[in-house]
Amino acid sequence: ETGVTQTPRHLVMGMTNKKSLKCEQHLGHNAMYWYKQSAKKPLELMFVYSLEERVENNSVPSRFSPECPNSSHLFLHLHTLQPEDSALYLCASSQVGQGADTQYFGPGTRLTVL
Amino acid sequence: QKEVEQNSGPLSVPEGAIASLNCTYSDRGSQSFFWYRQYSGKSPELIMSIYSNGDKEDGRFTAQLNKASQYVSLLIRDSQPSDSATYLCAVNLFTSGTYKYIFGTGTRLKVLA
Repeated sequence: ETGVTQTPRHLVMGMTNKKSLKCEQHLGHNAMYWYKQSAKKPLELMFVYSLEERVENNSVPSRFSPECPNSSHLFLHLHTLQPEDSALYLCASSQVGQGADTQYFGPGTRLTVL
Repeated sequence: QKEVEQNSGPLSVPEGAIASLNCTYSDRGSQSFFWYRQYSGKSPELIMSIYSNGDKEDGRFTAQLNKASQYVSLLIRDSQPSDSATYLCAVNLFTSGTYKYIFGTGTRLKVLA
């Protein structure tokens, strides 16, 4: 256990559904991240929140919408997804600004879009 | 040029041998360096972090950093079949007023029993 939890662990949704992924960190960190990892592809950084402000958004389609209500919680709202969005979605957290910016990952949500 | 480069592998080594994984990075402003292990279908887990030139040892793992040559490596001694996984190199650098964390594509390691 890394101190980062994600729910649900598995999600199957149709292209017209709306769902949300949840991440919670219990490490007292001040930054949280969403990554996408498709089969046989590297980690793709989607969003970064530092001190609850979005500081990075790597050209992610608008059908993905992040929300960070406080430093411990991060959501990824999903709507009208495409089959190519099927992937492992990973949340991570870190303590930014002290040089030792180790990221700790949650277990991930395995998303399948039908 | 990719910011963090790794050979995708697979790198195959016999059980008990030393596995050597390499990573190069392009930005000389990189400040901290990390090795993660990722089993298939699982999330990455931190193995080692290193911040200054030289070697850092932790059990069977040794991380080596050479900032002049811009590479970081991971040695795994007495490799075990359970070490078979993808190893991700990550670099943290401070640029444009913010910290940026960059992952390599990973090297797949196979330890043969």
